[in-house]
Amino acid sequence: DAGVTQSPTHLIKTRGQQVTLRCSPKSGHDTVSWYQQALGQGPQFIFQYYEEEERQRGNFPDRFSGHQFPNYSSELNVNALLLGDSALYLCASSLAGGLYEQYFGPGTRLTVT
Amino acid sequence: AQSVTQLGSHVSVSEGALVLLRCNYSSSVPPYLFWYVQYPNQGLQLLLKYTTGATLVKGINGFEAEFKKSETSFHLTKPSAHMSDAAEYFCAVSSGGSNYKLTFGKGTLLTVNP
Repeated sequence: DAGVTQSPTHLIKTRGQQVTLRCSPKSGHDTVSWYQQALGQGPQFIFQYYEEEERQRGNFPDRFSGHQFPNYSSELNVNALLLGDSALYLCASSLAGGLYEQYFGPGTRLTVT
Repeated sequence: AQSVTQLGSHVSVSEGALVLLRCNYSSSVPPYLFWYVQYPNQGLQLLLKYTTGATLVKGINGFEAEFKKSETSFHLTKPSAHMSDAAEYFCAVSSGGSNYKLTFGKGTLLTVNP
């Protein structure tokens, strides 16, 4: 049973650039959430996608956007990168009708220089 | 609004000793509560969860947690620590309904000394 997968594993970008991170949910899951985890902090909720729509959004600027595809996979896009965007980006999948139990992928480590 | 406070950013125990990691939550409605573990350079793994029903919840790797509504707490325990338990532990809360996000605490780093 394939778990949540994310790509790439690591990424280095320059300030002002744009980045796209990818996530494939656990088999059977239809909902994808994205979290940002800064060094030494707990994950912070960015947004959640269900039925290809953004269902809920955390306190992140519009530079952060996403997409969900018909096969339930998802992308996170970040424009105009800032140094403060350096973090581990975690994707989590779940069932829409589940009790909010989310399964996490290994994350993408983004470094902005 | 929902929030989580984890008391103690770093807990150190000896191998074989009791592990106690503290978590207090704030939620305007009955919460769903979770404990996750994160090993270095990895994602989060679900240890256990409380949704409804029995307040003592058993999870993987010998961990358990007790939901105490009167104390707004959900502390994580394990009777006997193993070296392999060394990791970062996160408590999280979701208030359910149309609020789908998990709100995490800042984490507690557990070290296990031989």
